[in-house]
Amino acid sequence: DAGVIQSPRHEVTEMGQEVTLRCKPISGHDYLFWYRQTMMRGLELLIYFNNNVPIDDSGMPEDRFSAKMPNASFSTLKIQPSEPRDSAVYFCASSSTRDVISYEQYFGPGTRLTVT
Amino acid sequence: AQSVTQLGSHVSVSEGALVLLRCNYSSSVPPYLFWYVQYPNQGLQLLLKYTSAATLVKGINGFEAEFKKSETSFHLTKPSAHMSDAAEYFCAVSGNTGKLIFGQGTTLQVKP
Repeated sequence: DAGVIQSPRHEVTEMGQEVTLRCKPISGHDYLFWYRQTMMRGLELLIYFNNNVPIDDSGMPEDRFSAKMPNASFSTLKIQPSEPRDSAVYFCASSSTRDVISYEQYFGPGTRLTVT
Repeated sequence: AQSVTQLGSHVSVSEGALVLLRCNYSSSVPPYLFWYVQYPNQGLQLLLKYTSAATLVKGINGFEAEFKKSETSFHLTKPSAHMSDAAEYFCAVSGNTGKLIFGQGTTLQVKP
């Protein structure tokens, strides 16, 4: 399996621009997670989906952030408008309830976002 | 509710010395516990996991962790540190929601 795929790997944008991050989970996984990692706040869970349905979005920092999962093989995280404080590494992870013993998550390589 | 506390944000050891990274958890249900490692500029990868089968869990790269219910701990150890072990390590707990709760991470420095 190719693992979790994220694109782009690096994104540099100007304040006020719209940013879209993309994720393809491992085939057959029914959970998908979006995390943000910064030096100040560590690793934060933003939102997660089960069977394409958002289950918990309490970690989404504000209305500028939105996430969608139109099908089982694709998800987006959008920031509009972007601000310098959104600069971070954004990770996508997936897991499967077929692994009913634990909910081991598989992480993608991350997208490093820089907002200037 | 579940939470994880990693004691020590930075740990420094000499090459060949024992590595001990501490993790304490809180969980209202029987926990599943994980250690993940993150090398510079990479995503997180699983080192090992506890799923109630055995209290001493062996993982990749010579790491192991012991689940101690009485101490609510899941400390990570390696008998002899290698330079390639330098990374950030995260302890995490999950219950039955599908969600992982991560600790703040511990940066391991290995000195030659």
